[in-house]
Amino acid sequence: SQQGEEDPQALSIQEGENATMNCSYKTSINNLQWYRQNSGRGLVHLILIRSNEREKHSGRLRVTLDTSKKSSSLLITASRAADTASYFCATAPRAQKLVFGQGTRLTINP
Amino acid sequence: NAGVTQTPKFQVLKTGQSMTLQCAQDMNHEYMSWYRQDPGMGLRLIHYSVGAGITDQGEVPNGYNVSRSTTEDFPLRLLSAAPSQTSVYFCASTLSGGITEAFFGQGTRLTVV
Repeated sequence: SQQGEEDPQALSIQEGENATMNCSYKTSINNLQWYRQNSGRGLVHLILIRSNEREKHSGRLRVTLDTSKKSSSLLITASRAADTASYFCATAPRAQKLVFGQGTRLTINP
Repeated sequence: NAGVTQTPKFQVLKTGQSMTLQCAQDMNHEYMSWYRQDPGMGLRLIHYSVGAGITDQGEVPNGYNVSRSTTEDFPLRLLSAAPSQTSVYFCASTLSGGITEAFFGQGTRLTVV
């Protein structure tokens, strides 16, 4: 079974709006990571947040982590057409293995 | 740096054939993994390796074999291809397992007919 589950499965917004995706996980973690996948391509790492951090920023990305609720959110501000992609959260319930959720498919409409 | 390189990019196999998907990384990472991605299923871990000579099973290992004779290479072997193995396969490497970022190859799209 998947460790992480993203919500929603699909999201469609207008360019310039903010996009929020959520991730829930089941076991304790060392960190939680977010990745982007453009159609037909490999995954690209976006941001890593450690279990003792609550919020992290990188450019237009803002990630929060609530370990008490076992959940994380990824906020993309001022969305652009180039942000159209699938977004995955990943956790390592055991240090060696990175386990991915099913992803959120984000579409930015011009 | 090339990062993680997978070959081939596309492959069609007949049921029962065997083949090897190649994966190489030039970042001197100890940890390497193979995932398969199916529609609506996200990425599922097939096998992983924490260093040369050490491999372990992931979530969906049946029908696949791996070995790690060098730090750079981590090939995935399909022993007897089945239509259920039609998928996109990704290789990834990390410096330190799940506690550092993973670098992915561009994927191999495999169709078994």
